[in-house]
Amino acid sequence: DAKTTQPTSMDCAEGRAANLPCNHSTISGNEYVYWYRQIHSQGPQYIIHGLKNNETNEMASLIITEDRKSSTLILPHATLRDTAVYYCIVRSLGETSGSRLTFGEGTQLTVNP
Amino acid sequence: GAVVSQHPSWVICKSGTSVKIECRSLDFQATTMFWYRQFPKQSLMLMATSNEGSKATYEQGVEKDKFLINHASLTLSTLTVTSAHPEDSSFYICSALVMNTEAFFGQGTRLTVV
Repeated sequence: DAKTTQPTSMDCAEGRAANLPCNHSTISGNEYVYWYRQIHSQGPQYIIHGLKNNETNEMASLIITEDRKSSTLILPHATLRDTAVYYCIVRSLGETSGSRLTFGEGTQLTVNP
Repeated sequence: GAVVSQHPSWVICKSGTSVKIECRSLDFQATTMFWYRQFPKQSLMLMATSNEGSKATYEQGVEKDKFLINHASLTLSTLTVTSAHPEDSSFYICSALVMNTEAFFGQGTRLTVV
């Protein structure tokens, strides 16, 4: 799986948009970009994923650059409950080996009141 | 999303004893499950891939005789930490594969060996 790099930590004011960047310059054509988050002492929670088009769901939006070498997860209106470690992962689908998620260090997002 | 349940949520055991952790997929069948370990302030580290009806595949450096994995049905995988020692104290997390695409995680098990 391609390696990703994320900032160690970020702060965001409650109610504002949180934009979390991720670099994945060695991503290959069949690899998807996945985002998970982990609230303290809980298992990771799936947020969103995409291949090359921008994606949006009820939790967040995912913006992938045209060259696919980086992406940004957007939480449009951050709340205190969004404080968590956010992991950006690239992986291929379809084969079991591609589902072995390799977690980097992630970004600790702190939403402040 | 799919629900993956782990039991127990936390356990304290004496050094030298064995502890079993269960991972269940509640509303889907999972031919493949994964076991992770997470130490404080660190990221998740994959320990092994659990395949229904066959032997687990362990990551490099993970002792298969110490961390016994059994995936006897399509909805249950178990991880047994044998002869636990204090250095085995950690947060253990399982995930299950849905439709060979999505991975959903259990809530984790906090193991403390005293």
